[in-house]
Amino acid sequence: DTGVSQNPRHKITKRGQNVTFRCDPISEHNRLYWYRQTLGQGPEFLTYFQNEAQLEKSRLLSDRFSAERPKGSFSTLEIQRTEQGDSAMYLCASSLSGGSTDTQYFGPGTRLTVL
Amino acid sequence: GDSVTQMEGPVTLSEEAFLTINCTYTATGYPSLFWYVQYPGEGLQLLLKATKADDKGSNKGFEATYRKETTSFHLEKGSVQVSDSAVYFCALLRGGNKLTFGGGTRVLVKP
Repeated sequence: DTGVSQNPRHKITKRGQNVTFRCDPISEHNRLYWYRQTLGQGPEFLTYFQNEAQLEKSRLLSDRFSAERPKGSFSTLEIQRTEQGDSAMYLCASSLSGGSTDTQYFGPGTRLTVL
Repeated sequence: GDSVTQMEGPVTLSEEAFLTINCTYTATGYPSLFWYVQYPGEGLQLLLKATKADDKGSNKGFEATYRKETTSFHLEKGSVQVSDSAVYFCALLRGGNKLTFGGGTRVLVKP
């Protein structure tokens, strides 16, 4: 069990550019979640997958955001035409559904800075 | 909708002091409750959890009891160390999908 990994750990980009983040969940976990955390706040849910199916999307996820999990393993989160308001920590978590509790385990996050 | 409210920080303590962080929630049904901890520069780590009323979660000297009658899940530790300095998040899970987090409480323990 190597834990949830995320890449890159930090990303600095200019307004209007596209960025893509990757998340590799714990290997046997079938659920994968994305959250966004702004400075001084708790994480906010963005979207989640069960296997390759995206089952729920928050209204925070504007049409500039897209997430995929093509083979039910790793996931990518893309932000198009970035805005300064997109600056935040993007957290990925995974869990195994059907257990005693769907405990979510988090990765270290990708910190995005939009200049 | 679901919500979690926790006391605002920062909470500043001396080493070996008693720590309490209050957490209350609003949710229908029977959510599971969690405490996560975030150390500087790191991601969220699960600290403890409770899945039903009157359950007590514990780990690393921290405890929290699921009180349905007061919709609370207060975190306590009897003797804090400098290494406990971190941000603590209370969260609830209902329906097995998204976690709803409180705003976090920063704890600073001084030697």
